[in-house]
Amino acid sequence: ELKVEQNPLFLSMQEGKNYTIYCNYSTTSDRLYWYRQDPGKSLESLFVLLSNGAVKQEGRLMASLDTKARLSTLHITAAVHDLSATYFCAVDLSLYSSASKIIFGSGTRLSIRP
Amino acid sequence: ETGVTQTPRHLVMGMTNKKSLKCEQHLGHNAMYWYKQSAKKPLELMFVYNFKEQTENNSVPSRFSPECPNSSHLFLHLHTLQPEDSALYLCASSQLKGGDEKLFFGSGTQLSVL
Repeated sequence: ELKVEQNPLFLSMQEGKNYTIYCNYSTTSDRLYWYRQDPGKSLESLFVLLSNGAVKQEGRLMASLDTKARLSTLHITAAVHDLSATYFCAVDLSLYSSASKIIFGSGTRLSIRP
Repeated sequence: ETGVTQTPRHLVMGMTNKKSLKCEQHLGHNAMYWYKQSAKKPLELMFVYNFKEQTENNSVPSRFSPECPNSSHLFLHLHTLQPEDSALYLCASSQLKGGDEKLFFGSGTQLSVL
């Protein structure tokens, strides 16, 4: 059974601090995604990681992928209040099929306080 | 605006009612998805359509019936639902085999079953 596990599930941090969210998954995949969801809103794509060792950065967020360890990280640098949201990682199971089957983790609710 | 439009935004229905959720994507994508987001569980993949053909039914009860008349429109027909079906229903689309295949989500339909 596929599991996509994120930790922590809840994170409260101060502005200006650094922190990392972890995403472990239990089966082989060639695509990993990070999404952001603001309260009452839909999901917005942040990063798509397509290969082992992939690293992508956008502003204060950086995502990386280690397919051998089945681990992705989302690193937050010098957090600001605007980054408060729920962050989801998601894994695409469709290695060899023609259709995507993207499974989500439980999400990490991030709260950044002044 | 993600290019994926869902209607209605909110829906309240009784257990004996029949209603339908509608999703339309203006992105030229060839795959569409239904996800369920409830407070107590991670996002759950319900159905996947690839070029109008259903490729995934993730053990969804028959009281949920999807319909995909063309690659731009997706419906979820609801009948005799249970209170535990109350959730946010999210539609998404993607372009398969065209790149990173990330999902673009609609704003969702918040469903309450009384």
